[in-house]
Amino acid sequence: QVQLQESGPGLVKPSETLSLTCAVSGFSISSGYYWDWIRQPPGKGLEWIGSIYHSGSTYYRPSLKSRVTISVDTSKNQFSLNLNSVTAADTAVYYCARRVEGTSNRDCWGQGTLVTVSS
Amino acid sequence: QSALTQPASVSGSPGQSITISCTGTSSDVGGHNYVSWYQQHPGKAPKLIIYDVTKRPSGVSNRFSGSKSGNTASLTISGLQAEDEADYYCNSYTSSSTWVFGGGTKVTVL
Repeated sequence: QVQLQESGPGLVKPSETLSLTCAVSGFSISSGYYWDWIRQPPGKGLEWIGSIYHSGSTYYRPSLKSRVTISVDTSKNQFSLNLNSVTAADTAVYYCARRVEGTSNRDCWGQGTLVTVSS
Repeated sequence: QSALTQPASVSGSPGQSITISCTGTSSDVGGHNYVSWYQQHPGKAPKLIIYDVTKRPSGVSNRFSGSKSGNTASLTISGLQAEDEADYYCNSYTSSSTWVFGGGTKVTVL
């Protein structure tokens, strides 16, 4: 059974870097699929942040492109999100998800982790 | 990259059918058959209920169905049940190789 689990600090100071990791179990991340980060500010809708293919190709939300980096570590079977120069507007629940290549099928999601940006 | 347009709320009585629209442009919904729908209950992660416009993942009730016409995709819930009360989001691939979500629709079962 494939499982995704987000981890990282729950509190980040303004102007610093938000770093999250999504650990994948029950499936080898190097076997394929796209790996996504999606966030949801409190009380608001879902927002796609970016995707990484198992080979390392990345795709980012245009409005975040200058601040975001997604990377994959096949040796640890995990992928990561770095978002720098954060502000209160980056406060959200952050989800990682797996998407089947060539489809819009995001078949597996993590439970989500709340990250608050505050001094 | 503008969010797809969904109605803020839709309501219906148990047993009725409701339809949620998701309007985009020819660069997203209208240009690709990569539209998906998610159901989200409070405090929970989104759950995929429709992908590739019309496909239903294994285990999802056949009361949920999807369709598309031009730049508008639609999700229909038939035989509305109390457990269907949730937020629903559409999502589409775009011609810029990115993804865009709708603003979300709150479904209320009267």
